Amino acid sequence: GNSVTQMEGPVTLSEEAFLTINCTYTATGYPSLFWYVQYPGEGLQLLLKATKADDKGSNKGFEATYRKETTSFHLEKGSVQVSDSAVYFCALSGKGGTASKLTFGTGTRLQVTL
Amino acid sequence: KAGVTQTPRYLIKTRGQQVTLSCSPISGHRSVSWYQQTPGQGLQFLFEYFSETQRNKGNFPGRFSGRQFSNSRSEMNVSTLELGDSALYLCASSSAGGALFGYTFGSGTRLTVV
Repeated sequence: GNSVTQMEGPVTLSEEAFLTINCTYTATGYPSLFWYVQYPGEGLQLLLKATKADDKGSNKGFEATYRKETTSFHLEKGSVQVSDSAVYFCALSGKGGTASKLTFGTGTRLQVTL
Repeated sequence: KAGVTQTPRYLIKTRGQQVTLSCSPISGHRSVSWYQQTPGQGLQFLFEYFSETQRNKGNFPGRFSGRQFSNSRSEMNVSTLELGDSALYLCASSSAGGALFGYTFGSGTRLTVV
């Protein structure tokens, strides 16, 4: 079945540092890939997505590229802010009948300090 | 516009009881999905409803059930509660179903079983 593996947290960075959160996946066919973010006490918000190989999703300074050859979708940001502190989830969805089901990784907590 | 509304926000129930959670999707959204979030298992897909029909189902026991009404509001029911059912239950809505169209998540209902 489908699965997502992402790096363990917490990740602690100083403001303006470079961020990478690793995500790899296992899936049949060509899934769509997503990054969601969860702030304390809130639900999940879609951060970015990519639907086919070599697509780059981007939003709010965050980027991730769909790498089929390495089955990866690593999240990056050039300069993090304190307000980026949250839990980040990598997720995938299949095509066709499974398109409505999201399979999530375990989440990576990011803590950004001044 | 109003987001996805889940009620109640917090709930405490006794083992063996049953519980009903409610989700009101964004106006115009016809797809509603439910997820369970726990520290041990992470985010797991429960089921998805589209136009009052269950379209997709996760690997949960039959104690977990749901339904969707003609106005797209959805309810989730858990019967014979167990301690392990303690979790944050998240509802997500989408205009047409399928993760590609973008899911909007509610803030969740935190269920504690004692």
